[in-house]
Amino acid sequence: DAGVTQSPTHLIKTRGQHVTLRCSPISGHKSVSWYQQVLGQGPQFIFQYYEKEERGRGNFPDRFSARQFPNYSSELNVNALLLGDSALYLCASSSNLGQGTPANYGYTFGSGTRLTVV
Amino acid sequence: AQKITQTQPGMFVQEKEAVTLDCTYDTSDPSYGLFWYKQPSSGEMIFLIYQGSYDQQNATEGRYSLNFQKARKSANLVISASQLGDSAMYFCAMREWSRGGGFKTIFGAGTRLFVKA
Repeated sequence: DAGVTQSPTHLIKTRGQHVTLRCSPISGHKSVSWYQQVLGQGPQFIFQYYEKEERGRGNFPDRFSARQFPNYSSELNVNALLLGDSALYLCASSSNLGQGTPANYGYTFGSGTRLTVV
Repeated sequence: AQKITQTQPGMFVQEKEAVTLDCTYDTSDPSYGLFWYKQPSSGEMIFLIYQGSYDQQNATEGRYSLNFQKARKSANLVISASQLGDSAMYFCAMREWSRGGGFKTIFGAGTRLFVKA
C-alpha cells in the first residue's frame, strides 16, 4: 500500500513567487494536515482538512492557504514567498479526526517537500 | 508559551546501552495525548509510541517505553539496547483539539541522538 505521497520533493523559488505543494493521503484516509518544519526546529501546524472542510488552522499569515479535493488529496498554497518560508513542508494523513482508540490516531507523515526561497 | 519542552539538544549513547530522552509538557486540558516521533535524515516523521492522559500504565512498544509522570507533566522516552540505526532526531509531541473540531499536534524542538559503535 502506498503511504502518504508528497510532490515535489524539492523546490526552489524566488521571493515574491507563489508555490503549490501537493499531498496524497493513504487510501481511505479522509483527513490531511500540513506542517512547516524550519531547519533545526520541530514541525509547526499549519492546517487540517477533513472531508474537504478546514478543521484547524495554525498561526500562519493569510499568504498560506490550502484545500482538499473530493479524492481527499490536498494542496498547500503559499503566496508572496519570503526567505523565511524556506522549510520542509510535511503532510500527514489520518483516517478520522482523532476519535477512537488507535494509539497512533492514524497520523502518518509523508517525506515532505523541501522548499528553498532565494 | 512553550507547550512541549525538550531540554537536550543532543545526546550520545553507546551501542547496546539504554538512553532516556526528556520531555515536559504544559496543558490545562485533562484529556490529551503524548507522542514520540523519530525523524531520520530522510525527513519522514516516524511514529514511535503514544501515551494517553488517562492511561494507567506506561506505554511500551518493543525497545521503546514512555516514562509518564502526570503530576510532573513529563513524558520521557526510554530506548533500550540502542542500535546504530537509532541515530536520528527525536520529537516529543502533544495532541490538542482545534476549535474547528479537528486536532493538531504540538512538537518540541527535538533531541538529536547519536549512537556510538
